[in-house]
Amino acid sequence: AQSVTQPDIHITVSEGASLELRCNYSYGATPYLFWYVQSPGQGLQLLLKYFSGDTLVQGIKGFEAEFKRSQSSFNLRKPSVHWSDAAEYFCAVGGVNTGKLIFGQGTTLQVKP
Amino acid sequence: DTEVTQTPKHLVMGMTNKKSLKCEQHMGHRAMYWYKQKAKKPPELMFVYSYEKLSINESVPSRFSPECPNSSLLNLHLHALQPEDSALYLCASSQPNARGSGEKLFFGSGTQLSVL
Repeated sequence: AQSVTQPDIHITVSEGASLELRCNYSYGATPYLFWYVQSPGQGLQLLLKYFSGDTLVQGIKGFEAEFKRSQSSFNLRKPSVHWSDAAEYFCAVGGVNTGKLIFGQGTTLQVKP
Repeated sequence: DTEVTQTPKHLVMGMTNKKSLKCEQHMGHRAMYWYKQKAKKPPELMFVYSYEKLSINESVPSRFSPECPNSSLLNLHLHALQPEDSALYLCASSQPNARGSGEKLFFGSGTQLSVL
C-alpha cells in the first residue's frame, strides 16, 4: 500500500534552534518525494523535491532534506529556525505522471521566541 | 507567471444554492487538479484533468461537477452541497510530461467554502 507517515503531529522549537521533521513512506515504484509548507488559510508552497541523484536536496527558505532509501525516509531539516517558519508541513510521495500525490497527515511547527 | 489564481477566496452558500469555484494558471501546465482540505488535515485529491480531459475522479459525489474549458482554466460547479462539504478547496497545476519533474504541483491559495 502507498502511504506517507509523519510521526510528529506537533513540534515546538525555540527560535534559532535546529529543526528536523520526520517523514517515512511506502511506495511500490521509484518514489518522487516532496515537502510542502502551508500557512493558515493558504495554499501549499513547495519547499523541495527529490526525484533522483544526490540524496541531499536543498530547498527554499534554508530547508534541506535527505532521502534514505534503506530507511524509506525523507526527513526535512533546517539549521536555525525563524519565527516565520511556524506553519503546517506536509510530506508527499508520488510517481511519474500518476496525477496523484499522497500526503502525510502533516506536522504543525510552533516556534517559541 | 508562476501563480495559480483561485476565486473567490471565501464563499458562503446555502444547501440549495448553485455556485462555482474558478481556477486559472498561465504557466502552460497541462494538468490541473482539485483538492479538498478539511481543517488540520492533509489535502485530499478530488479530480485531475490532463490535457483538458478528466483523468481521475476520486469517487466524488455528483454535487461536485468539474469543468476544464481550456488549458488555463478549471472550474468546480457546486450544487446542493451539505454542511460537511465545508472546507478549503485547493486548485493545483503541473506539467505532466516534463522529464524528471514528477508531480511537482503548484497550488493556489484556495477557496474557503462554508455551507450553511
